[in-house]
Amino acid sequence: GAVVSQHPSWVICKSGTSVKIECRSLDFQATTMFWYRQFPKQSLMLMATSNEGSKATYEQGVEKDKFLINHASLTLSTLTVTSAHPEDSSFYICSARGPGGTDTQYFGPGTRLTVL
Amino acid sequence: GQSLEQPSEVTAVEGAIVQINCTYQTSGFYGLSWYQQHDGGAPTFLSYNALDGLEETGRFSSFLSRSDSYGYLLLQELQMKDSASYFCAVSRGGGGNKLTFGTGTQLKVEL
Repeated sequence: GAVVSQHPSWVICKSGTSVKIECRSLDFQATTMFWYRQFPKQSLMLMATSNEGSKATYEQGVEKDKFLINHASLTLSTLTVTSAHPEDSSFYICSARGPGGTDTQYFGPGTRLTVL
Repeated sequence: GQSLEQPSEVTAVEGAIVQINCTYQTSGFYGLSWYQQHDGGAPTFLSYNALDGLEETGRFSSFLSRSDSYGYLLLQELQMKDSASYFCAVSRGGGGNKLTFGTGTQLKVEL
């Protein structure tokens, strides 16, 4: 149980385009999901907390107009990187709090974004 | 600010025991988690300590001392497949219980 999926697993796009990444909780409902980015050989940096039915909460220094988050249902959150640039190239990972309100977070497999 | 420090690299031989330390300084603390991440993969949950003491889960154990702001992950009977990055993470509570991740430790298991 507690499986989280992400789609796509990797994407290559041209500079200036927008890319949407989906995060789904497959066998449980998640009122809260989290979005992270990770550069090679570095730690996971929390970007934002995605709350079902309300606005996302962004961490300091993360541009909310650039990284649009929508949590439209209890099993789906989306991250849209708008007007992507090469410096946005990274590994984007989502997670969801486990069922039953546990503190454990379950991570999706990640999305490798490369902006040319 | 928030900071969690870990050794950057640890090397050990197959069958050995290795300890990965984590010292933290965060605003808000609910518990300390440990995650394993293989190259290109997602972090997978290993262990969680909310209270002081040792938690054992198979070959992995995790320890927490809240008064010392310190914890460690102990891996026993190391196997080659344990080669990965290991992250400690503090649950800060509030707003869905955010996690702040440590700097990560690259574990290399050799024959």
